[in-house]
Parts: sequence; C-alpha cells; structure tokens
Amino acid sequence: DAMVIQNPRYQVTQFGKPVTLSCSQTLNHNVMYWYQQKSSQAPKLLFHYYDKDFNNEADTPDNFQSRRPNTSFCFLDIRSPGLGDAAMYLCATSRDAGSEQFFGPGTRLTVL
Amino acid sequence: GENVEQHPSTLSVQEGDSAVIKCTYSDSASNYFPWYKQELGKGPQLIIDIRSNVGEKKDQRIAVTLNKTAKHFSLHITETQPEDSAVYFCAATRYSSASKIIFGSGTRLSIRP
Repeated sequence: DAMVIQNPRYQVTQFGKPVTLSCSQTLNHNVMYWYQQKSSQAPKLLFHYYDKDFNNEADTPDNFQSRRPNTSFCFLDIRSPGLGDAAMYLCATSRDAGSEQFFGPGTRLTVL
Repeated sequence: GENVEQHPSTLSVQEGDSAVIKCTYSDSASNYFPWYKQELGKGPQLIIDIRSNVGEKKDQRIAVTLNKTAKHFSLHITETQPEDSAVYFCAATRYSSASKIIFGSGTRLSIRP
C-alpha cells in the first residue's frame, strides 16, 4: 500500500544531544511537510519541501533543520534538543502545494 | 493571515446519537476545507473534505456543510459508534496554491456506551 512511513515511532534523546527523525513515502508526492504537535494542540507546520525547494516557516527555530536527499525521503534534524522540543513530530505529503495532505503515524520525541 | 476557530473543544455524546463540530474561517479566499480525525498515538487521517463550489458533501455517516457567506463549515457524524472517539481537526486553505493548511484547535469527541 502507498503510504507515509516514519521512523522511529518513539525516540528518546538527552538534552542537547542531536537527533534525526526520518520520513519516507511511496506516494511519489512532490511536497513533504514536517509538523510539530504538542499535547492537545493542532499540528504546527515547521517547514516543507516542494521537490527540492525548501520553505521554512518564519517562526521555526534555527535548532530545526531538514534534508530531502530524494523524492522519497525527508529528514528532520534537531541540533540541540531542549525540554520544550518534546512533542509528536508528523510528516505529511501532498501531490502538489495546497492539495490533500497525507500524514504519517508520527514520531514521539522525549527529551530527558 | 487565515485563522480557523473550532468549537466545541470537547464533546461527549451517547452512542447512536449525532455529533456536530463547527468551524469558522477568516480568509474569504479559502476554498478547500478538509477534516482530519486523529486517534490516540496516531497521525491525523483525512476523513472528508469539501471545496467551496459545493455546499454539502456526505460519505456514509459523515457529512460536511459549508456556508461561504458566513464563512462557517461543520462536520456532522450520525449514528455515532465507539470507534468515532478521537480528536477531530477542521482546516482551511486555498486549494492548488502555496498556502499552508490552517488547522482549528481540535475537538475531542467521546462516545458514551
């Protein structure tokens, strides 16, 4: 089945220790998104790639970076995680900008 | 920029009864309104969507209505079942543009047996 896959599903890291979350898709969609979702809140867009074109949200901290080495994969790098970065991180894809978004299952990040 | 307000924040209904969740949006140029269901520990899943050229759309027990003049749209779930328990998010955007999806704040729906 075509889908959006996120690994790992659960990630524990230490304060200040870099961590990388991964997302892959078999939908062959042009756009890939990273969202941060904290408890009882709506997903908050961090950035997205339209093909290789990177689009950062104005309020996304510099601590968050992303890479998209090819159509299928996208990575979220958190350079120095703080306690406030503990959250669910959701990857989503869409065929084109503004079209239906399909979400992965998320990675729950814990920062100790 | 676009703002989406969603009410209520929590909703508890008896199994078999109907549930209604309401949203309003601020950007009159928004023309695409998806609804997502998020179960505990999972990512949001698109359950139904509506575009601004129609006023109502139905898919089995789920229906969405849109009032462009008032900038309101609503999700209706009939004959609720325990598996309907989840958090529901409404959203608004301009379809086929670079505009990002703006989510409402979510409604936690609980179905009482």
